[in-house]
Amino acid sequence: DTEVTQTPKHLVMGMTNKKSLKCEQHMGHRAMYWYKQKAKKPPELMFVYSYEKLSINESVPSRFSPECPNSSLLNLHLHALQPEDSALYLCASSLLGQREKLFFGSGTQLSVL
Amino acid sequence: GENVEQHPSTLSVQEGDSAVIKCTYSDSASNYFPWYKQELGKRPQLIIDIRSNVGEKKDQRIAVTLNKTAKHFSLHITETQPEDSAVYFCAASTGANSKLTFGKGITLSVRP
Repeated sequence: DTEVTQTPKHLVMGMTNKKSLKCEQHMGHRAMYWYKQKAKKPPELMFVYSYEKLSINESVPSRFSPECPNSSLLNLHLHALQPEDSALYLCASSLLGQREKLFFGSGTQLSVL
Repeated sequence: GENVEQHPSTLSVQEGDSAVIKCTYSDSASNYFPWYKQELGKRPQLIIDIRSNVGEKKDQRIAVTLNKTAKHFSLHITETQPEDSAVYFCAASTGANSKLTFGKGITLSVRP
């Protein structure tokens, strides 16, 4: 299995809702990432997990809360988002010794109303 | 930190022609340069990459060249096809444990 799977593919939520994005990979990658991408812009790094521990938080607002329950799963919990948080949220994974070689998931297109 | 500039921001070519997309980087310590292709509504996909100990790499219709002295690298696509239409992102990294710095992306349109 050489894929990174993300669910859901699309999500619409209100500013008072709580929702979660899920990501799964079975390639044995011990580094996992969350990126945010606006239309026709490059992906922006949000969080990096190494060996299921948060290693990088790129000053992301606390309304985004990541979680890595095991080596295959990565979640992003969303609460009290703003309309400007609407974007494509991409999960990625890599081998720890090859962090520059990212395998991206298909993303969750999030709309905040 | 690293800064990656990508020019032009849009490029339109006739089917069958060649396309060249150029990126410049600022950190001379960067040693890994991937190119990602992202079709509309899809994930970024790594299409080719090059390390700093190599000047050129080719894979069928695509090639990447690197000029370390000038700190720029380019993506070359020959015999372009409509399915090459996408946003292309270049990126740079200073090592295996460093994050990627992406360029702003270029929208390539291949006219049939």
